[in-house]
Amino acid sequence: GQQVMQIPQYQHVQEGEDFTTYCNSSTTLSNIQWYKQRPGGHPVFLIQLVKSGEVKKQKRLTFQFGEAKKNSSLHITATQTTDVGTYFCAGPGVGGSEKLVFGKGTKLTVNP
Amino acid sequence: DAMVIQNPRYQVTQFGKPVTLSCSQTLNHNVMYWYQQKSSQAPKLLFHYYDKDFNNEADTPDNFQSRRPNTSFCFLDIRSPGLGDAAMYLCATSRDDRYTDTQYFGPGTRLTVL
Repeated sequence: GQQVMQIPQYQHVQEGEDFTTYCNSSTTLSNIQWYKQRPGGHPVFLIQLVKSGEVKKQKRLTFQFGEAKKNSSLHITATQTTDVGTYFCAGPGVGGSEKLVFGKGTKLTVNP
Repeated sequence: DAMVIQNPRYQVTQFGKPVTLSCSQTLNHNVMYWYQQKSSQAPKLLFHYYDKDFNNEADTPDNFQSRRPNTSFCFLDIRSPGLGDAAMYLCATSRDDRYTDTQYFGPGTRLTVL
């Protein structure tokens, strides 16, 4: 079945350091979404990428969609303690575009 | 504000005692989803409704059922909870299926099974 793989599973950084999480799909994706889940919270939508090679920025967050539309990355510049949480990528499931297949997530902790 | 609401936020039940979790939305979205999320894992889709059409995931146990009596409400019934069903249950909505749309998650119900 379709798989969305995400690495690393855990990342611990010092405040001010950069952070990157990578997402790879076993199949070509029509789009990819990123969600953030704070500790004890629920997933919150961050962004959706649709076009091959697309790059989008949200303040210190940079999202990329690969040329082949099979991989994506999220880069955070100069992390802050407010960036703590688990970041999930998600792509459309096979057999139903309204379904999402989530990666396992990258749990980010930031040491102040 | 438009939102996804889940009740209760915390639910304790006994092994084998049926339990119902509820979700309501004011977004008027067509699609409603139920996910199970265990500690340090990704949300796992149990089933979803597109309008009134129910879509079950192949690996969702028969122990889990769902009802959507109208656009705004959706319920998750666990007929005979086992210890392994202890988890966070997340409800989510999305607008339509033209392409995979943003999903809006509720705060979740944390289920404890004694």
